[in-house]
Amino acid sequence: GIQVEQSPPDLILQEGANSTLRCNFSDSVNNLQWFHQNPWGQLINLFYIPSGTKQNGRLSATTVATERYSLLYISSSQTTDSGVYFCAVGGRGSGNTGKLIFGQGTTLQVKP
Amino acid sequence: GAVVSQHPSRVICKSGTSVKIECRSLDFQATTMFWYRQFPKKSLMLMATSNEGSKATYEQGVEKDKFLINHASLTLSTLTVTSAHPEDSSFYICSARDRKGHTEAFFGQGTRLTVV
Repeated sequence: GIQVEQSPPDLILQEGANSTLRCNFSDSVNNLQWFHQNPWGQLINLFYIPSGTKQNGRLSATTVATERYSLLYISSSQTTDSGVYFCAVGGRGSGNTGKLIFGQGTTLQVKP
Repeated sequence: GAVVSQHPSRVICKSGTSVKIECRSLDFQATTMFWYRQFPKKSLMLMATSNEGSKATYEQGVEKDKFLINHASLTLSTLTVTSAHPEDSSFYICSARDRKGHTEAFFGQGTRLTVV
């Protein structure tokens, strides 16, 4: 099955700094999503981005499907950005039912 | 975005009892829902795919008799943890996709199960 690797596993930033989170995947995908898991466990949809570039406020994401990676950019980080960021992908294979395979996550801590 | 509601958000039960967790799509119909499990400080692991009107498909290593899944309607899937043991304590979270074929998945709030 598809392998998903995220880097870095942990990241500590000072408030106001910028950061880039990376997601590598091992096969073709028809779905790629970025999530932020809040302290209560809920997954917040950040981007649905199987290809291309999107921006939403201070966040933006780029997926280069042909090279099998995606990047999540956080600019001018705030303490409320702290938490775990997950990348998840859905494969293009014939057995794909829409299930997502998650990376191990990046734990971000933004210090005031 | 679409809304998926999961209930309860937190449950404590005694060993040997069964617990039912509900997952509802509130503003769309979902022919397929998914159940995941998350251990502390770990990633989400897919347990099973819930198919409306048919049997669920379980991932390798997941006991189908332990984790019963029912998808009786286009807006509701349930996960029942039977004869719960302390090692079943975990965070369970469901997701759903719109039947119209859009591939973006939306997640419920999750259920924290503690078996004592």
